[in-house]
Amino acid sequence: LAKTTQPISMDSYEGQEVNITCSHNNIATNDYITWYQQFPSQGPRFIIQGYKTKVTNEVASLFIPADRKSSTLSLPRVSLSDTAVYYCLVGDLYDKIIFGKGTRLHILP
Amino acid sequence: GAGVSQSPSNKVTEKGKDVELRCDPISGHTALYWYRQRLGQGLEFLIYFQGNSAPDKSGLPSDRFSAERTGESVSTLTIQRTQQEDSAVYLCASSLADRGRKDGYTFGSGTRLTVV
Repeated sequence: LAKTTQPISMDSYEGQEVNITCSHNNIATNDYITWYQQFPSQGPRFIIQGYKTKVTNEVASLFIPADRKSSTLSLPRVSLSDTAVYYCLVGDLYDKIIFGKGTRLHILP
Repeated sequence: GAGVSQSPSNKVTEKGKDVELRCDPISGHTALYWYRQRLGQGLEFLIYFQGNSAPDKSGLPSDRFSAERTGESVSTLTIQRTQQEDSAVYLCASSLADRGRKDGYTFGSGTRLTVV
């Protein structure tokens, strides 16, 4: 499993764009990059997944450079309700998920 | 059901007692996973079921922990002789595919276990 490094915590303000970068220098050819979001007192939920270049959905965008050694989750115009822990996961699509400690994002008014 | 259901939502038990935690996966989801999350920490993988067999039990922390699953339905995680370090939120997830894709996990809200 590729080791991932992401910031322990981040603060931002409502209405701002938030970018969380994850480093994964030893990513393998078969590995995908997946992000999960966990609100307090809830289980994690899937938000986005990608292999290369850019992926966008209704929640977020995921930017992956050509070398795939890092990725950036972008949350547009955050609100207080985006306060959560965000987990970056790198591995084969079908391996069980191994979670790290994630990034605690705190949105301020 | 519409989502993954876990019960009880909260459980307080005395040290040394046995506890059973229940997970009802989404109907039709063949894969089921148990995780443990200690306060302020990430999730620790415990066990994975495919149907009613458990091909990966590598995360069970000791022989006090066991789990079973009835067919492709309910799973029960049992902790015997509970210790204070067992206090955590126990999360269950299920997924549709035979080998669950990373984007396909649906988690329950967990059981918060407190051992006093």
